[in-house]
Amino acid sequence: GAVVSQHPSRVICKSGTSVKIECRSLDFQATTMFWYRQFPKQSLMLMATSNEGSKATYEQGVEKDKFLINHASLTLSTLTVTSAHPEDSSFYICSARRGGRPDTDTQYFGPGTRLTVL
Amino acid sequence: AQSVTQPDIHITVSEGASLELRCNYSYGATPYLFWYVQSPGQGLQLLLKYFSGDTLVQGIKGFEAEFKRSQSSFNLRKPSVHWSDAAEYFCAVGGLYTDKLIFGTGTRLQVFP
Repeated sequence: GAVVSQHPSRVICKSGTSVKIECRSLDFQATTMFWYRQFPKQSLMLMATSNEGSKATYEQGVEKDKFLINHASLTLSTLTVTSAHPEDSSFYICSARRGGRPDTDTQYFGPGTRLTVL
Repeated sequence: AQSVTQPDIHITVSEGASLELRCNYSYGATPYLFWYVQSPGQGLQLLLKYFSGDTLVQGIKGFEAEFKRSQSSFNLRKPSVHWSDAAEYFCAVGGLYTDKLIFGTGTRLQVFP
C-alpha cells in the first residue's frame, strides 16, 4: 500500500512552453501533497505544500506564477511549469500524506519526473 | 540555520560487511529524524523514523539508527549488507509543527559481491 505515481517520468520540452506533471496517490487519499526539486548531487528542496481544495503554500524563493500547483482531488496534484527555461531543468519529486500530522503521518514519495528544457 | 549533513557522498562495502551511514543535523526545535532510501526509478522509501522515546530505532530491511542528541547525529547502521541494499540514502529532519522536511545531500551505497 501507499503508492504514489508520477507522470510523465521524463519530459523534454522547448524553452517557452509549459509542462504539466501529475502526482497521484494510487491506494490512499492524500490530505496533503508536497512538491520537491532535486538538483544533481544536491538534496531535495521543498517547493510547495498543497492541501486538497486549497491554494498551495510556496516556500520562500519559489515563484508562484512559474510553478502552478493544483490539488483538485484527494488523489491528484499537478505541477505546471509555465514558460519553462533551461534553468528549470531538474528532477521534480512529489510526495503525499494521508493525514495532517508530521509525526504520525508518513510522507510517501513518487519516483520523480526528469524535466529537460532545451 | 536548519540543515542536514551527510558527510559521505559515496560508500563502497563488500556484501556481508557492516555498514554505518553518518547524518548530522542542525535544527532549532525538537527534531523528528528520518532515513529514506531511493533506488533507481523508485520513489523514496521510508526506512525508519525517530520522534521520541528509545533513541535506538529499528526500521525495515534490517536497518537501525541511533539518535544522539549531544552529537546532533542520527547514524544509520546495518550489521550485514546485502547486494540489494545498493541505493541512495537520504537523512532528513522535520518538526511537529511544520510539514517541511530538510534533506541531506544523500549517500550513494555501492555493494561489491
